[in-house]
Amino acid sequence: QVQLVQSGAEVKKPGASVKLSCKASGYSFSRYAIHWVRQAPGQRLEWMGYINAGNGNTKYSQNFQGRVSISWNTSASTAYLELTSLRSEDTALYYCARDFEQHYVVGWFDLWGQGTLVTVSS
Amino acid sequence: EIVMTQSPATLSVSPGERATLSCRASQSVSSNLAWYQQKPGQAPRLLIYGASTRATGIPARFSGSGSGTEFTLTISSLQSEDFAVYYCQQYNDWPLFTFGPGTKVDIK
Repeated sequence: QVQLVQSGAEVKKPGASVKLSCKASGYSFSRYAIHWVRQAPGQRLEWMGYINAGNGNTKYSQNFQGRVSISWNTSASTAYLELTSLRSEDTALYYCARDFEQHYVVGWFDLWGQGTLVTVSS
Repeated sequence: EIVMTQSPATLSVSPGERATLSCRASQSVSSNLAWYQQKPGQAPRLLIYGASTRATGIPARFSGSGSGTEFTLTISSLQSEDFAVYYCQQYNDWPLFTFGPGTKVDIK
């Protein structure tokens, strides 16, 4: 079964960091980029960045000003999102999503994980 | 950053009726636009890419049109499973991909 399975919910204090995982199965992990998209309560979807799972190249949204890092472990078919210096506004549902095309990035997403809720609260 | 807007915010439609959703970009995105459907508690689902190409498995009642800054998603005859929130997303401004605020389609 082709799917992305994400790690469980997290509760963090302001200023802390969080690292989320996204495990792919049912397809060749290294052929597709994995993106991270978040959805804060009542807000629109917000693209955060991607990793090309074939070569590890990454691109990030400028909106996160260096707070975001995406990594991967090809042997585990897993991508990771790390977000640092957390603030209350980072409370959101975080999704990983697969890019549509193999071997290069087109920027639309045909397979999504179930989402991971991150709550930032003192 | 390209800002996406959608109208209306909420669309009340009876089953079997036609629904027309609009999406506007703050500058031209050519045909680099996708549509997603999201139901409560679920991840988004790709419906349309390239402004008008249906994704695999998407019923023919969903159609997309437009280019430049104005786009439309049409659901020709609403089924009960189509009541959801619909988002447009541009991928022309690479790699800062942006989404619209969504249109909620609910039962009239």
